[in-house]
Amino acid sequence: GQQVMQIPQYQHVQEGEDFTTYCNSSTTLSNIQWYKQRPGGHPVFLIQLVKSGEVKKQKRLTFQFGEAKKNSSLHITATQTTDVGTYFCAGPSTGNQFYFGTGTSLTVIP
Amino acid sequence: DADVTQTPRNRITKTGKRIMLECSQTKGHDRMYWYRQDPGLGLQLIYYSFDVKDINKGEISDGYSVSRQAQAKFSLSLESAIPNQTALYFCATSDGTGGSTDTQYFGPGTRLTVL
Repeated sequence: GQQVMQIPQYQHVQEGEDFTTYCNSSTTLSNIQWYKQRPGGHPVFLIQLVKSGEVKKQKRLTFQFGEAKKNSSLHITATQTTDVGTYFCAGPSTGNQFYFGTGTSLTVIP
Repeated sequence: DADVTQTPRNRITKTGKRIMLECSQTKGHDRMYWYRQDPGLGLQLIYYSFDVKDINKGEISDGYSVSRQAQAKFSLSLESAIPNQTALYFCATSDGTGGSTDTQYFGPGTRLTVL
């Protein structure tokens, strides 16, 4: 079956450092979505990428979809304590099921 | 989102008991989903429904059943709870207009502990 892996599983950074999480799928994805889950909260949609090689930015967050549409990355520049949480990628399989990645838990040390 | 509500928010039960988790939404979405979250495993899809007459198994449906009572209501049942079903359960909805690009809107979650 489809597998969506994320690395690293955990990341601790000093406030102000950059952070990157990588998402890798065992199959080609038609699109990929990114979600953020704050501690004790629920996943919240951040962004969707559809085109091969697509890059989108949201303030300090940069999202990239690989040329082969099998991988994606989220980069945060100059992390802040508000960035704390778990970041998930999610991609669709046939039949419109979503497969969520394993998530990267980000801790930002003030 | 307050538009997607789950009850109960927390539940402790014993092995062998039947448990029902309920989800309601006011977003008017046709599509509803049940996910399970375990540490380090991300979110795993249990069941999903694209309309009232449509029910589909997800990755990990064994030991679970669902009922779509109305467009706005989707309940998850554990017929005979076991300890490894201890997890955080999320309901989600999507509007179905984007095909396979549906954005998922999650409820606040139900933390279930099976002793």
